[in-house]
Order: sequence, then structure tokens, then C-alpha cells
Amino acid sequence: LAKTTQPISMDSYEGQEVNITCSHNNIATNDYITWYQQFPSQGPRFIIQGYKTKVTNEVASLFIPADRKSSTLSLPRVSLSDTAVYYCLVRPISSGSARQLTFGSGTQLTVLP
Amino acid sequence: GAVVSQHPSRVICKSGTSVKIECRSLDFQATTMFWYRQFPKKSLMLMATSNEGSKATYEQGVEKDKFLINHASLTLSTLTVTSAHPEDSSFYICSARDSTGSLHYEQYFGPGTRLTVT
Repeated sequence: LAKTTQPISMDSYEGQEVNITCSHNNIATNDYITWYQQFPSQGPRFIIQGYKTKVTNEVASLFIPADRKSSTLSLPRVSLSDTAVYYCLVRPISSGSARQLTFGSGTQLTVLP
Repeated sequence: GAVVSQHPSRVICKSGTSVKIECRSLDFQATTMFWYRQFPKKSLMLMATSNEGSKATYEQGVEKDKFLINHASLTLSTLTVTSAHPEDSSFYICSARDSTGSLHYEQYFGPGTRLTVT
């Protein structure tokens, strides 16, 4: 499984755009990039997933360069409620045998008023 | 979206007793469920993979006789912490994989169970 590296923590202010970058130099051809959000004492929540270029949903955007060795989660106009730990994961696409998720250390995002 | 529930959400037990935690997929079938443990300020650590109708697969260092897993149906997996000790106090989280066969399968996480052993 490809290892991921992301900043341990980030601070931002309400209303700002936040970009969290994750490195995954050993990503394989059949790997997807997935981001989860976790609030204290809650299970992780799926945010966004992508394979290449750009993916956008109602919550965030995910930018993936051509070499796919990194990815950037972009949160537009964050609010205090976006304070959470954000995990970047790399996992195979295969729908065959079960694939567990390997969580790295995550990025603690703190949004300040 | 798919929902995974856990019960109880919080439990306090005495050292030496056993505790059962349930994980249910409410609106989808899950042939595979995963159990994670998370200590304060730490990341999730996979404990075991629970397969419906067969034995669970445990990660290295996780005692299978201490953490009993049963996946008796496509919507329910249970984790029993036997002879619990204070060092077993942690946040236990399950996830369930949608078995519909979508190529881009998703895992859905439960809300977690806070176990405190006194």
C-alpha cells in the first residue's frame, strides 16, 4: 500500500480557502486517492475521491497533478465547523477481495474565528 | 447515503469483564466489515477484517482470543473484548464495505464506541 505524507496541522480563519496537500510518491496505477474527515469521538466521513485531474463535489475539490504523486484537498470558505482531522488515503480500485484502508497520521485543521 | 450504526456508543466496564460491540449496516449488505481502534490523538489502526460466514482476519499484534469477532449476517458484525483491562480503553470504530459490486466500492464508517475499562 502506498504511504501518504501530509502536514500534521494547519490553522486557518473563517471564510478562507484551505488547501491540504498530501504526498504519495509510490502510488500505483490502480490506486485511487480518497480523503476522509473525522471529528472528535466520531467515525471518519468520506469527503471526496479521485484518480486524476480535478474532482469537485458540494463539499470540496480535489486536485491531482499528472504524475499523481501528490494531491490537494481544497475546502472553500471554511467555517468553525470544519475544524477536524483530514486523512488522505491511497487505495486500489479493485472490487475483488476486500481491501482495508490504511490511515496515516492525518492533518488537524483548526479554523479560527 | 449508506449508514453504519454501532451500539453502544459508550460503555464503561470493570476490569476482567467482557464487552460486546455491535456494528450494523442499515441500508446495504456488507460481506466485509473492518474493526479499527483509535487512541487519543492518534490515527485509526486496523484490528481485523470481518468476513460474513467465515473467520475474521486479524492484524499482526492483535490477539484473536481477546478480541472475538463474529459476522453472522450480511448486516451485523460484533466485536467482543474479553477480559477487558484498562489498556483496552479506546475508541473502537467499524466500517462496512458495500457488497453491491460497484467498481469504486466505498467503505462507510460507524460513529464509534468509546470503551472505558476501570
